[in-house]
Amino acid sequence: DAGITQSPRYKITETGRQVTLMCHQTWSHSYMFWYRQDLGHGLRLIYYSAAADITDKGEVPDGYVVSRSKTENFPLTLESATRSQTSVYFCASNSGGGYTFGSGTRLTVV
Amino acid sequence: DQQVKQNSPSLSVQEGRISILNCDYTNSMFDYFLWYKKYPAEGPTFLISISSIKDKNEDGRFTVFLNKSAKHLSLHIVPSQPGDSAVYFCAASDPLNRDDKIIFGKGTRLHILP
Repeated sequence: DAGITQSPRYKITETGRQVTLMCHQTWSHSYMFWYRQDLGHGLRLIYYSAAADITDKGEVPDGYVVSRSKTENFPLTLESATRSQTSVYFCASNSGGGYTFGSGTRLTVV
Repeated sequence: DQQVKQNSPSLSVQEGRISILNCDYTNSMFDYFLWYKKYPAEGPTFLISISSIKDKNEDGRFTVFLNKSAKHLSLHIVPSQPGDSAVYFCAASDPLNRDDKIIFGKGTRLHILP
């Protein structure tokens, strides 16, 4: 189906582990974004990408790494997970008049 | 510093009544405003938007009002229904921002009471 999909939907990992959250879109939108949603903070931008091989930091990039080797994929990697990275992560692409979001990945770091 | 502010973390409204969600912004260069709705365990979905050249945009039960001089916008839902219970995010975009970023408020949780 067309759209933006995130995987996994739920993930539990241990402190210090590396974990990658996947995001795939089928529209070939140029811009893609990663947000985290936390109580009291709303949606905070982690990283974004204007096109393949072009990425830039958002508001809260520390502890995260992204890549964009193909237009349709924008994975987010936590190189060494910390408890403060327990959150719900949303990927989005820009559909011209606004964003379309994926369903989110709920990540718990124990 | 927050550029988009939703000062009410939550709001409870009786079913059938009007829900009014407020949003303030600080950047006078913002030219396009959006509202997103989010249910638990789902991603935010686009609800309604308004360009800065307008002061009102209506879509069914949803109306967004923009007061540029006050840097304030509001979302009206009339009549409120149980399915409107969700978190609502106000967002804005800056035409000078070449990276297509949208800036979100912290959200307001709307509870529609039976």
